[in-house]
Amino acid sequence: EAGVAQSPRYKIIEKRQSVAFWCNPISGHATLYWYQQILGQGPKLLIQFQNNGVVDDSQLPKDRFSAERLKGVDSTLKIQPAKLEDSAVYLCASSSARGGGYRGEFFGPGTRLTVL
Amino acid sequence: GQQLNQSPQSMFIQEGEDVSMNCTSSSIFNTWLWYKQDPGEGPVLLIALYKAGELTSNGRLTAQFGITRKDSFLNISASIPSDVGIYFCAGQGAGNNRKLIWGLGTSLAVNP
Repeated sequence: EAGVAQSPRYKIIEKRQSVAFWCNPISGHATLYWYQQILGQGPKLLIQFQNNGVVDDSQLPKDRFSAERLKGVDSTLKIQPAKLEDSAVYLCASSSARGGGYRGEFFGPGTRLTVL
Repeated sequence: GQQLNQSPQSMFIQEGEDVSMNCTSSSIFNTWLWYKQDPGEGPVLLIALYKAGELTSNGRLTAQFGITRKDSFLNISASIPSDVGIYFCAGQGAGNNRKLIWGLGTSLAVNP
């Protein structure tokens, strides 16, 4: 079974530029998550999708971050415009349905973003 | 936001030694997860625990879901160099609050 795919793996941009990340979850996983991980910390949930609907985006800085999962499969996360403090690893994860079917979240390799 | 208390923050051990780390929370959790993260990679799920008192093994790893549902530990027996990495605990709450709450990680270094 293929894991969670993410691209690009690395991105360097200047502040105020825009950037987009792509994620393809494990086949059949209805729930998709985007996390931000700053060096030395645990992952912080930005947004959670159930199929193509948003379940939780309470920690997403909506003035600059946006995400979509139009067909309920792959997803994109965009930052526009980027700030220096956005430098982090952006992780995508997926899981089967919460409740009886939940068996944990499975992560992709992440995209390391550096904002100069 | 809410975080788990994970300890120790870091460990430096000799190859072959056993390792123990734990997480505690002020909240009750329905699920405890233990992850390992290598540099430049995403976290990898090691063990998932679903009920209080549950003790689960995965090779040299053993984890337990505390009986109070507010804590969990992870043990690694006979450590080897490839055990190096950062170990995270994560807990999932009950009811409508299903978001994972993460510990800050335990950094493990193994001296061959």
